[in-house]
Amino acid sequence: QSALTQPRSVSGSPGQSVTISCTGTSSDVGGYNYVSWYQQHPGKAPKLMIYDVSKRPSGVPDRFSGSKSGNTASLTISGLQAEDEADYYCCSYAGSYTLNVFGTGTKVTVL
Amino acid sequence: EVQLVQSGAEVKKPGESLKISCKGSGYSFTSYWIGWVRQMPGKGLEWMGIIYPGDSDTRYSPSFQGQVTISADKSISTAYLQWSSLKASDTAMYYCARPVYSSSPHAFDIWGQGTMVTVSS
Repeated sequence: QSALTQPRSVSGSPGQSVTISCTGTSSDVGGYNYVSWYQQHPGKAPKLMIYDVSKRPSGVPDRFSGSKSGNTASLTISGLQAEDEADYYCCSYAGSYTLNVFGTGTKVTVL
Repeated sequence: EVQLVQSGAEVKKPGESLKISCKGSGYSFTSYWIGWVRQMPGKGLEWMGIIYPGDSDTRYSPSFQGQVTISADKSISTAYLQWSSLKASDTAMYYCARPVYSSSPHAFDIWGQGTMVTVSS
């Protein structure tokens, strides 16, 4: 099972919007509505930002939103803030044999 | 407060065995899957496997099948990740995590603080 494909990096100025893509196959992203997104700051554990494609856990700002079309999921951060600078990983369920598969990770830089 | 607390950092030599732990508290430990994730230095997250402490149902990512053993002791609300013979390439941070839904291990909102394992001669 190969990792899901994400851009290595994206950047934006404060207040702007950035979108991170996550491309898989019909066996993972396209086959289930079980895409989640994690934020990871250096030296910290991952934090769940989006699950089930577009649901936000309690406490996550509504600046973060998720969507999916076919085999590609996306995370959009609107109104970018300095504290959003981090690594972001998508993750998709891929069936009872493979379980879950993470994306390659994207570094978000706030200019 | 729902939390997962992992055991401390380990430094081992190649060929040695190791078992690290993840203790859950603040919730029904037997009702939620526990997953394990590897992060090698400077690299991304990799899914290793999961266990359901209620009945010890255990599943491994194909990449980790046969390389590690996941177990749990529900009497002390603790999950384990173990190696019988460590390699230098096992050097990594290991996280345990609990899913949002008790019945479905596909989105994880509770994470342990991580256990750094260093394997060096």
